[in-house]
Amino acid sequence: RKEVEQDPGPFNVPEGATVAFNCTYSNSASQSFFWYRQDCRKEPKLLMSVYSSGNEDGRFTAQLNRASQYISLLIRDSKLSDSATYLCVVTPRGEYGNKLVFGAGTILRVKS
Amino acid sequence: NAGVTQTPKFQVLKTGQSMTLQCAQDMNHNSMYWYRQDPGMGLRLIYYSASEGTTDKGEVPNGYNVSRLNKREFSLRLESAAPSQTSVYFCASSRQRSEAFFGQGTRLTVV
Repeated sequence: RKEVEQDPGPFNVPEGATVAFNCTYSNSASQSFFWYRQDCRKEPKLLMSVYSSGNEDGRFTAQLNRASQYISLLIRDSKLSDSATYLCVVTPRGEYGNKLVFGAGTILRVKS
Repeated sequence: NAGVTQTPKFQVLKTGQSMTLQCAQDMNHNSMYWYRQDPGMGLRLIYYSASEGTTDKGEVPNGYNVSRLNKREFSLRLESAAPSQTSVYFCASSRQRSEAFFGQGTRLTVV
């Protein structure tokens, strides 16, 4: 089983739609969680960290469910510019500290 | 604001050639990483360095070596390139348990 798993999509949604992505992780002792965004052939960039209590940044809401070992990302009022690949990132607890493990990514396509 | 700088940006190698990918960060981060990204595979960790003087294998280390030259620099070496190593390589750095910052990537083709 992969350490971090995501639905690859693609998710094709119209502008203005609400879309949600889930990500599951296998290491129950994982400590830090992030969502990254990657545009075609460019480097990944941090979208938001995910906190235990859940957090919101504008149209984006991230949630963590430790009991079920998943994190989610909700995007409201989708824009064309939201089209990208969204990467779930987890820091498993381990001997070597905080190596970051990436999911394979979920592709989002927002269409007018 | 340099952040994480990778060189070169593009490279074409012949099978069996060697090369070193360079990475430097100016954010005083302890941790540095090398990832490769292939279509449909996401980012896979090649090697990781938690601090200066330490390195550890990631998910796909075979065919690669690394050197953490100092706190700023973390290089990745391909001793004998193979077509299977054609990929986009990303270097990243982070503070402990914090988000990572990435370089712009190196697009490597091995023919």
